[in-house]
Amino acid sequence: KAGVTQTPRYLIKTRGQQVTLSCSPISGHRSVSWYQQTPGQGLQFLFEYFSETQRNKGNFPGRFSGRQFSNSRSEMNVSTLELGDSALYLCASSLDVGARNTEAFFGQGTRLTVV
Amino acid sequence: AQTVTQSQPEMSVQEAETVTLSCTYDTSENNYYLFWYKQPPSRQMILVIRQEAYKQQNATENRFSVNFQKAAKSFSLKISDSQLGDTAMYFCALQGGKLIFGQGTELSVKP
Repeated sequence: KAGVTQTPRYLIKTRGQQVTLSCSPISGHRSVSWYQQTPGQGLQFLFEYFSETQRNKGNFPGRFSGRQFSNSRSEMNVSTLELGDSALYLCASSLDVGARNTEAFFGQGTRLTVV
Repeated sequence: AQTVTQSQPEMSVQEAETVTLSCTYDTSENNYYLFWYKQPPSRQMILVIRQEAYKQQNATENRFSVNFQKAAKSFSLKISDSQLGDTAMYFCALQGGKLIFGQGTELSVKP
């Protein structure tokens, strides 16, 4: 079974630009979550989608948005990039949102650098 | 609000020895799960062990075991017979609706 696939793996963008990151979950998984990982803030929850609906959202500005398609693939978009958005963005998939014993499987992340 | 705190940013241990990583958490949920994830230099997050909050018995997975103290809201990870491949960042996580992570502990296993 293929794992969680995130594309692209690396990205360099300029301040003010926008970026779209993609995540393909494990086949059969309907829940996709996104996290931002930085050395200073650690792993911070961005949002979670289940069956094309956002079920949970973290404390990030409106510049960060996401969506999920009918095939469970998810995208996250960051508009008007700032230097502080430089981070590793991790996507995790699981069978069901909020299912407390469901293991989350992570992708290898997208390393975004904003210059 | 749910929080997870790991108070040890870095730790090191000699190969074959035992090390314990600390984690405390706070939640108002009664039904929740706790996890330890490992993130090696490859950045791939891997589940190490999970604990159900309503189970008093501590979870074990081969060389990995936890000490779960529900009243104290403490969830430490013990790694026995440490191996060089255990070198990684370890994250404690709380699942009570959404998965919340601690700041991580960077573990170095030295030969």
